[in-house]
Amino acid sequence: DQQVKQNSPSLSVQEGRISILNCDYTNSMFDYFLWYKKYPAEGPTFLISISSIKDKNEDGRFTVFLNKSAKHLSLHIVPSQPGDSAVYFCAATGPVQFYFGTGTSLTVIP
Amino acid sequence: DAEITQSPRHKITETGRQVTLACHQTWNHNNMFWYRQDLGHGLRLIHYSYGVQDTNKGEVSDGYSVSRSNTEDLPLTLESAASSQTSVYFCASSESPDLTYEQYFGPGTRLTVT
Repeated sequence: DQQVKQNSPSLSVQEGRISILNCDYTNSMFDYFLWYKKYPAEGPTFLISISSIKDKNEDGRFTVFLNKSAKHLSLHIVPSQPGDSAVYFCAATGPVQFYFGTGTSLTVIP
Repeated sequence: DAEITQSPRHKITETGRQVTLACHQTWNHNNMFWYRQDLGHGLRLIHYSYGVQDTNKGEVSDGYSVSRSNTEDLPLTLESAASSQTSVYFCASSESPDLTYEQYFGPGTRLTVT
């Protein structure tokens, strides 16, 4: 049973516009959330994280928002660049392991 | 520079064969993990280790085993390869014992079982 879900398998955005990637989770015990970025033929690389005691974390063009009551987090990329085209995975940490979502493939159109 | 490597990068094997995928990290991290990535499932945890001689089963551990004899290596063994184990396998390591630090991933091994 998928505890972390990314319901949009793909997303296309024009260069310069905002990209919003969404993630939902089911387990209220999750206390730390992360976003990873993955290019083809490479391993995922860490992008940004947020603790459950916060509702927002920013790092340059990337901002992650956490809505604990809705069990929802989102990643905003502003402005989007062609180099952002990749698969994005959200992840949540439980007591003993990470749980990953199924990924959203982002395409930024020049 | 510290890194995490996997070998081989590509492997084709036959059903029923034993296969071992290597993972080596120079971060000196205590935590190491094996995942498989499949379309529609994302990354699923196979096995993990929080230190030498420690191994634990993840959510999809059937048919796989690991052993941890030193800090740097966590080899993944498929005891008797099945077509359902055709996948891309990623090894990862992390520093924090409480999972509040990000994991560093290797480049992956694409395994095909024919």
